[in-house]
Amino acid sequence: DAGVTQSPTHLIKTRGQHVTLRCSPISGHKSVSWYQQVLGQGPQFIFQYYEKEERGRGNFPDRFSARQFPNYSSELNVNALLLGDSALYLCASSLGSRTGLDGGYTFGSGTRLTVV
Amino acid sequence: QKEVEQDPGPLSVPEGAIVSLNCTYSNSAFQYFMWYRQYSRKGPELLMYTYSSGNKEDGRFTAQVDKSSKYISLFIRDSQPSDSATYLCAMSASNFGNEKLTFGTGTRLTIIP
Repeated sequence: DAGVTQSPTHLIKTRGQHVTLRCSPISGHKSVSWYQQVLGQGPQFIFQYYEKEERGRGNFPDRFSARQFPNYSSELNVNALLLGDSALYLCASSLGSRTGLDGGYTFGSGTRLTVV
Repeated sequence: QKEVEQDPGPLSVPEGAIVSLNCTYSNSAFQYFMWYRQYSRKGPELLMYTYSSGNKEDGRFTAQVDKSSKYISLFIRDSQPSDSATYLCAMSASNFGNEKLTFGTGTRLTIIP
């Protein structure tokens, strides 16, 4: 079975540009979350989507946006890139059950974004 | 003050030693506790998941939770060079699987052959 797939794996952008990162969850998983991991830090929550609806938003500026498609894949968009946006962007999928103990989150390998 | 505190290390131990990794937290709403392992240039991989105080064992790994002290630990027995990675503690408030995770900084562990 394919795990969580993210594309691209690496990306270099210039300050002020826009970037779109993509994520395909595990088959059957309806929840997708996005995390930002700056070098030397733990992942920070950005967004969560479940059944195409936003269920949570972390403390990130409005330059960050996301959406989930009918096939449960997701995109993370970042506008007006800053040097500080350089990080590993992780996508995590889960069944999204509210009964707990449903196997947890499975993370992709991430997209490494470098802003120069 | 961060909601989750974790010693970033680095931590180096000889092969075969017992490793102890720890996190403290300040948010009493956290009820679900996880340990993830992250190899270089990879995403985090779930190792242990628990929601009650006490110990949970899985092979060489034991997760320990003390909600009264807001303190969690991961013990690795008979450590192997393949255990060399960054270990992240993570927590959530409820309904795991549909709830955001709050991570610690991660502890970088090296097992010396």
